[in-house]
Amino acid sequence: NAGVTQTPKFRILKIGQSMTLQCTQDMNHNYMYWYRQDPGMGLKLIYYSVGAGITDKGEVPNGYNVSRSTTEDFPLRLELAAPSQTSVYFCASMWSSGVYNEQFFGPGTRLTVL
Amino acid sequence: QQQVKQSPQSLIVQKGGISIINCAYENTAFDYFPWYQQFPGKGPALLIAIRPDVSEKKEGRFTISFNKSAKQFSLHIMDSQPGDSATYFCAARGGGFQKLVFGTGTRLLVSP
Repeated sequence: NAGVTQTPKFRILKIGQSMTLQCTQDMNHNYMYWYRQDPGMGLKLIYYSVGAGITDKGEVPNGYNVSRSTTEDFPLRLELAAPSQTSVYFCASMWSSGVYNEQFFGPGTRLTVL
Repeated sequence: QQQVKQSPQSLIVQKGGISIINCAYENTAFDYFPWYQQFPGKGPALLIAIRPDVSEKKEGRFTISFNKSAKQFSLHIMDSQPGDSATYFCAARGGGFQKLVFGTGTRLLVSP
């Protein structure tokens, strides 16, 4: 199993451009999450999904959109990129059965908006 | 109330020493407290976790101590090794759908 994969690894965007960060997991996990990580700030939840067709906002959703058409894929869309969106983005997935479950993280996408 | 406060921000420990990272929370509805380890250029990975009905959990050199009344928990790394040099995040689960609230992270450097 490849686990959680993210593409691209790095990207530089100009202000106002748009892009989609890709996230795919091959573990048949039903829950998926998008986080952003800024220095000294920890990880902040952007959006999450509990299954195909079901998404909801996290703590910092402004400027982002998501969709979940399949179990495997959970892309994050940035519209009209702003310098404040410069960050490292992590996708995670988890199987929700059981009480104490592990979120598995991808390797991240480092995004710079200039 | 959804915050988890983590300290210190950075930590330097000699090889063989004990590393201690502390976290505190306010929301008594949190019901699961994992620690994640992150190496440079990688995503976080689960290191060890504890339930609030347990006061201590040990896995090898890593121990979580949990004080429910004080709403604090800490990670102890015994016999710290250079390979333990990484950023450590505490987290707490709450708010439904197994969402985690993360601390701000501690960058640990174990000197040889």
